Amino acid sequence: DAKTTQPPSMDCAEGRAANLPCNHSTISGNEYVYWYRQIHSQGPQYIIHGLKNNETNEMASLIITEDRKSSTLILPHATLRDTAVYYCIVKDPGTYKYIFGTGTRLKVLA
Amino acid sequence: NAGVTQTPKFQVLKTGQSMTLQCAQDMNHNSMYWYRQDPGMGLRLIYYSASEGTTDKGEVPNGYNVSRLNKREFSLRLESAAPSQTSVYFCASSEARADTQYFGPGTRLTVL
Repeated sequence: DAKTTQPPSMDCAEGRAANLPCNHSTISGNEYVYWYRQIHSQGPQYIIHGLKNNETNEMASLIITEDRKSSTLILPHATLRDTAVYYCIVKDPGTYKYIFGTGTRLKVLA
Repeated sequence: NAGVTQTPKFQVLKTGQSMTLQCAQDMNHNSMYWYRQDPGMGLRLIYYSASEGTTDKGEVPNGYNVSRLNKREFSLRLESAAPSQTSVYFCASSEARADTQYFGPGTRLTVL
């Protein structure tokens, strides 16, 4: 079973920031938080990952709470092309397996 | 640099037929994976290969076999297809087990 809980769907206006929450209350000390997205049934696309510090790259920012029990993916200026299913995944670096939940379906509205 | 490629893109089989799904990566990655995704669900790991010459079962290996032909290629075989194997199959690769996985475009398989 997935170790994460995400809202099933969210809407966001184009040009606004999209904030996607994820709860992972049972996360272990060495487990990373990964975010992927899947556009229109294509293969999942890596977005960002982190352990405890906040992370930023050209696609998004990842904010992890101090107790590491939850995180938020931020798309700073959402576009229509960001409409996708977003998966939050907790992964132990010692294993090969990602456990995908059902994700959050983000719809960016014009 | 094509990344991860999969063939075929679509396939329709009759129950009991066999087929092999092909996957290749050009990123010189050590690890490769096969997942399936059923409608409205997340991905589930079928098999993985940590490195050339090794393969291991994932969450849902029953009804499948795999071959790590070389460092680039990892194939998934259905010996006797069943309607329950109707799904979208994704191949992925990573440099090592701790690293980010990169996914192919998927193969959409229907078993009648």
